[in-house]
Amino acid sequence: GAGVSQSPSNKVTEKGKDVELRCDPISGHTALYWYRQSLGQGLEFLIYFQGNSAPDKSGLPSDRFSAERTGGSVSTLTIQRTQQEDSAVYLCASSLVPQLPDTQYFGPGTRLTVL
Amino acid sequence: QKEVEQNSGPLSVPEGAIASLNCTYSDRGSQSFFWYRQYSGKSPELIMSIYSNGDKEDGRFTAQLNKASQYVSLLIRDSQPSDSATYLCAVTPDTVEGKLIFGQGTTLQVKP
Repeated sequence: GAGVSQSPSNKVTEKGKDVELRCDPISGHTALYWYRQSLGQGLEFLIYFQGNSAPDKSGLPSDRFSAERTGGSVSTLTIQRTQQEDSAVYLCASSLVPQLPDTQYFGPGTRLTVL
Repeated sequence: QKEVEQNSGPLSVPEGAIASLNCTYSDRGSQSFFWYRQYSGKSPELIMSIYSNGDKEDGRFTAQLNKASQYVSLLIRDSQPSDSATYLCAVTPDTVEGKLIFGQGTTLQVKP
């Protein structure tokens, strides 16, 4: 596809369950980012990948959050034992190289609702 | 203190007027500055980037950067109802990772 894709588009889960969110970046983009946007808030950085490595995990809110990237392409964000405060839109972005942030394009997001 | 601050608004302007959106940032070492537009329920889209002090114009949009004052602004001339959206200011702390630090956004309403 031409753009960043994310799945699922919506996810409703019960408190305490684990969820996996997927991101397919633009082909050839080496840098991948996860952000979170809570209701009425700006975007909050979570984690950055360069290739399959995550040099910056500083934005992950707790050890319940983890992410991986395989083959320099698809990334999965996993939230274990979800809490209601995890409810947000999770956005993935990719850029050609990290040094060119104006090539950073966002996916449509996954809206996570924790009941 | 938040790293990037914006007035949440809403900022309401009549159609055809100039809308002025402002942003301040705390990290003096910030390298790059961006304005994103986000329509309700949609993902952000980049509308302007600016890297050096001064003005940068693109169509009806002008970005202004003042690194000494740690201030960046966006002017929208001849505002249209279709410009009604949330405008997010973002900065990159360094040139290595390219991660974006966002403000909370300013909601702009352009009234016909």
